[in-house]
Amino acid sequence: AQSVTQLDSQVPVFEEAPVELRCNYSSSVSVYLFWYVQYPNQGLQLLLKYLSGSTLVKGINGFEAEFNKSQTSFHLRKPSVHISDTAEYFCAVRKGSGGSNYKLTFGKGTLLTVNP
Amino acid sequence: DVKVTQSSRYLVKRTGEKVFLECVQDMDHENMFWYRQDPGLGLRLIYFSYDVKMKEKGDIPEGYSVSREKKERFSLILESASTNQTSMYLCASEPQNSPLHFGNGTRLTVT
Repeated sequence: AQSVTQLDSQVPVFEEAPVELRCNYSSSVSVYLFWYVQYPNQGLQLLLKYLSGSTLVKGINGFEAEFNKSQTSFHLRKPSVHISDTAEYFCAVRKGSGGSNYKLTFGKGTLLTVNP
Repeated sequence: DVKVTQSSRYLVKRTGEKVFLECVQDMDHENMFWYRQDPGLGLRLIYFSYDVKMKEKGDIPEGYSVSREKKERFSLILESASTNQTSMYLCASEPQNSPLHFGNGTRLTVT
C-alpha cells in the first residue's frame, strides 16, 4: 500500500523568506506525485505534479518541487513567500492507472503561515 | 474552466437521519471521488467511481454508500448519520490520469 508522510504539521515563516515543505512517500512501484493547496474556506487546487521526466517540477505561484527517487521524497519549495501563500498544503501520491490505481493518497497536510 | 459543484456548503443533521450529499461536474470526467477532511488527518478517501454505476470502496467506506446514475453526478449517502461523521466532505472529479478538480466542500454537522 502507498502512504504519504508530511513531516511538519505547521511551518511559520516571515514574508520574503524561503520555505521548504517536506513530503516523503512509500510505494513499491512507480508513482505519480502531486502538491495541492487549500486556502481558507475553499476546496483544494493543484499546485504542481510529477508524472515522469525532469525531476524538478515548476508549479503555479512560484512554487517548485523536486522528485528524489532514492530518498522517496517530493519536497515543495519557494524562494520568497508572500502573505497570500498562507494556506494548507497537501502532498499526494498515486500509482499508475486502472482500477484501484485511481486512488490518490494524501498526506495529513502542512499549514504554512506567513507572517509580516 | 472545470466546475465541480457541491449542492450544500453547510448542513446540519440529526443523529439517525439519512443524509444525501450531492456533487455535479460539468466536464464529462470519468472519475469522481468523495473524501472527508478532518483536522490532523488530512483527506481520507471514502468512495470513488470510474464510470457510471461503477464504484469502489476507499479507505473509510463504513457508514457510507454512493450512487452514480449519471456521469456528471456522484452522490454520497449516509444511511444513518452519526456524530462521528461530522466533518468536511470534499468531492472531486478528473478525466483519466489527470489531476483532481475539487469542489468547495460541504461542512456537515451531525447533532
